[in-house]
Amino acid sequence: DGGITQSPKYLFRKEGQNVTLSCEQNLNHDAMYWYRQDPGQGLRLIYYSQIVNDFQKGDIAEGYSVSREKKESFPLTVTSAQKNPTAFYLCASRGGDQNSPLHFGNGTRLTVT
Amino acid sequence: SQKIEQNSEALNIQEGKTATLTCNYTNYSPAYLQWYRQDPGRGPVFLLLIRENEKEKRKERLKVTFDTTLKQSLFHITASQPADSATYLCALEVNTGKLIFGQGTTLQVKP
Repeated sequence: DGGITQSPKYLFRKEGQNVTLSCEQNLNHDAMYWYRQDPGQGLRLIYYSQIVNDFQKGDIAEGYSVSREKKESFPLTVTSAQKNPTAFYLCASRGGDQNSPLHFGNGTRLTVT
Repeated sequence: SQKIEQNSEALNIQEGKTATLTCNYTNYSPAYLQWYRQDPGRGPVFLLLIRENEKEKRKERLKVTFDTTLKQSLFHITASQPADSATYLCALEVNTGKLIFGQGTTLQVKP
């Protein structure tokens, strides 16, 4: 079954710690995305990558970092510099041309206390 | 900056009626617009895409319109069912590869 896997589903961390969220896809898609969703709100773009070894900042990149060393993987690190890290994080991928839709994982809910 | 706005208020309708959701955008002329459905605790799922040269697109009970003059898309669900209850999101590609979303509208269909 092709798809996007985010792990873990729930993650708890203490304030001041960096944490890395995993995102893996076996759809052979070139582009991958990270979004953040807060309660009752839409998705805000953190980072995106259109090809391996390249990525761009989205609208709320401060306090986050990414890498894209492999086509199938796009991990997101939430650093201690992120002021309000508690949120629902969604990873997506896209293949084909620019009209192609996003395929989302089922998210990681991060709680920082 | 680019902005997408959807009705933030939840939409409550009776089963069998038509639900109409609105997506407005500013400061951009998108080549297409996408609609997604999101259930609680899950990732969004793609529903429909409509291009700038298409006035209307249909898929089963779903219909999307796109008015580039008004900078607005309408999303209709006809003969709504309780199973249609979810949050619906619209999305635009504002730069190559960069897709942004509206805040979503939650639809509640009552039996």
